[in-house]
Amino acid sequence: EVQLVESGGGLVQPGGSLRLSCTASEFTFSPHWMNWVRQAPGKGLVWVSHIRNDGTTTYADSVKGRFTISRDNAKNTLSLQMNSLREEDTGIYFCVTENFGFQYWGQGALVTVSS
Amino acid sequence: QTVVTQEPSFSVSPGGTVTITCGLTSGSVSTSHFSGWFQQTPGQAPRTLISNTNIRSSGVPDRFSGSILGNKAALTITGAQTDDESYYYCVLTPGGGIWVFGGGTKLTVL
Repeated sequence: EVQLVESGGGLVQPGGSLRLSCTASEFTFSPHWMNWVRQAPGKGLVWVSHIRNDGTTTYADSVKGRFTISRDNAKNTLSLQMNSLREEDTGIYFCVTENFGFQYWGQGALVTVSS
Repeated sequence: QTVVTQEPSFSVSPGGTVTITCGLTSGSVSTSHFSGWFQQTPGQAPRTLISNTNIRSSGVPDRFSGSILGNKAALTITGAQTDDESYYYCVLTPGGGIWVFGGGTKLTVL
């Protein structure tokens, strides 16, 4: 069974940085396109970023220039480097596989941006 | 900017049928938008029900089906069960690696 485990969440002050990781197992990671999706407390799902197997990336306008998505196929790991964090970035961040649409979801990592 | 619309809430009786839709404020949804549907209960990660318009994920009961109805993507639950009471989200892509979620639909089964 596909497993995706996010880590790296926590409490950070506005303007700070945090790096999330998503470790994949029980499937072949390298060919898969991957995404980050977030959910603010009590709110809906919001797409954040996408990376293809060749490293091509896209970002939501709200995080463009502040967040960087990357992958290490040798380590089966997806990452999200988050800089210049704002209070509105608070939420649970999910990594998600993509194959003509979203498939498998991790359990999520909680990021809290607060002073 | 792409904006995806969903009904905020729906109510269905046990055993009944309900169709939740996913539209665009500008234009029609087609199979080229690769629409998907997800179920989420509070405190849990989303679960993929449907991808690529009508492909049911492994383990998803066949009472869940996806389609294009008119100019919208649609999720139909036939023979609703109390366990289906949940939030449902749709997503679609306008292309270029970008995805946009709808605001979610709260389904009540009673």
